[in-house]
Parts: sequence; structure tokens; C-alpha cells
Amino acid sequence: DIVMTQSPDSLAVSLGERATINCKSSQSVLYSSNNKNYLVWYQQKPGQPPKLLIYWASTRESGVPDRFSGSGSGTDFTLTISSLQAEDVAVYYCQQYYSTPLTFGQGTRLEIK
Amino acid sequence: QVHLVQSGAEVKKPGASVRVSCKASGYTFTTHGIHWVRQAPGQRLEWMGWINVGNGNTEYSQRFQGRVTITTDTSASTAYMDLSGLRSEDTAVYFCARGSDSSWYSEVGYWGQGTLVTVSA
Repeated sequence: DIVMTQSPDSLAVSLGERATINCKSSQSVLYSSNNKNYLVWYQQKPGQPPKLLIYWASTRESGVPDRFSGSGSGTDFTLTISSLQAEDVAVYYCQQYYSTPLTFGQGTRLEIK
Repeated sequence: QVHLVQSGAEVKKPGASVRVSCKASGYTFTTHGIHWVRQAPGQRLEWMGWINVGNGNTEYSQRFQGRVTITTDTSASTAYMDLSGLRSEDTAVYFCARGSDSSWYSEVGYWGQGTLVTVSA
């Protein structure tokens, strides 16, 4: 199984400041034949299902604000929120869909400082 | 628009089985795969398995050692997740979710609201 490890476990950022969450996979999730990274980022708020933010590691889902961006390739990935808004308080998960079982990171809790 | 509506909360005794349903609407049911993911209290999301609704092919997580079965009723646009041999560690919220195409290696953009399954003697 591919193990997904996020850092940090929790993060407190001031409103309007940048938030950065990292995700590392135990093996590459880059499929060489199409040069795509099979990595998504989700946002989950209490009592709600996850919401897809980013897929293919860097493609923003329709309707997601452009302050959210994803980067990285192979085994190291980053989710960046360029200017934190109050509604961004949530837990963020990375997930690989390169191989089964699909696996998730442990989550990063983002709070307002 | 796309909606996935799951069945209600369940309380089961250890050793019992549970079935959770997921009714889809707003798209052609047979052209997208359905995943099942669970979340135990305070734990990370855990993928259980997937079904290609068009041809019935499935993939399951080995962690469930044959305890999970995913099926569909295409006439009712409904997917089902059966989990047997329940134990207290199976207490979790269970989600169905739709892939962007029929394969398991596509991003999941739509989720059901979740179904709480509680296992308690």
C-alpha cells in the first residue's frame, strides 16, 4: 500500500496570510505514460463529506477559489492557500489514486491564528 | 445536478451485517464508478472499495478481508455496500462517492452525505 504522510498535523495561520500543507507518498504517484500525478486534495468541514479541491496534483476543481493551488510531482506535494479566509478553517487531506487501495493522508487541521 | 443520497443511520450488534445504500441522480448512473470510503471517529478517511457500475467490476481493500461487498441496482440508480462480521472498530461514518469516469483511477468529485454505523453490544 502507498502510505501518505502529511505535515504538519495542525497549522494556525492569520487571516490573509499564506497556508502551506505538505504531503509525501511512500512511492511515486506519477504515471510516466501520461505524465500525470494521481494525487488529489480534499477539504473537510465538521459534519460534512470531503470536498474536492485539486486533482492531478495541480488542477483546480471547477468552482474552487483561485487562492487554492497544488504543486509537486512524484512523491512530494504541496497545497497552498495564498490568502487565508475564515471559511477555509477545515481539515485538509491528500489522497493518491495511483494504485489500490486508494489511500489518504492523516489530515492537517487548519485554524485561524 | 449530481446528488448522492445515502440511507439513514444504523445501530448493529457485533457479528451482524449492515447494508448502506446510495441513490444517485442527476447523471447517467452507468458511466461513473462508485467508491465507498469510511471515517472512524477522529481517524483519517479509509477507502473500502469501488465498483464499475457499467460492467460490475469491483476492487476491494484487502483490509476488509472479504467482509465487504459492493453492488448496484442500475434500474434504481442505487449502489449498496454490505459489511459483515461487524466489530466495534467498524463504528464509523460511511460515504459513497462518484468518480469522474468509470475507472477507479479517477478523481472523486461528488460525495454522499454519509451514514453513521454504530456497532455496540
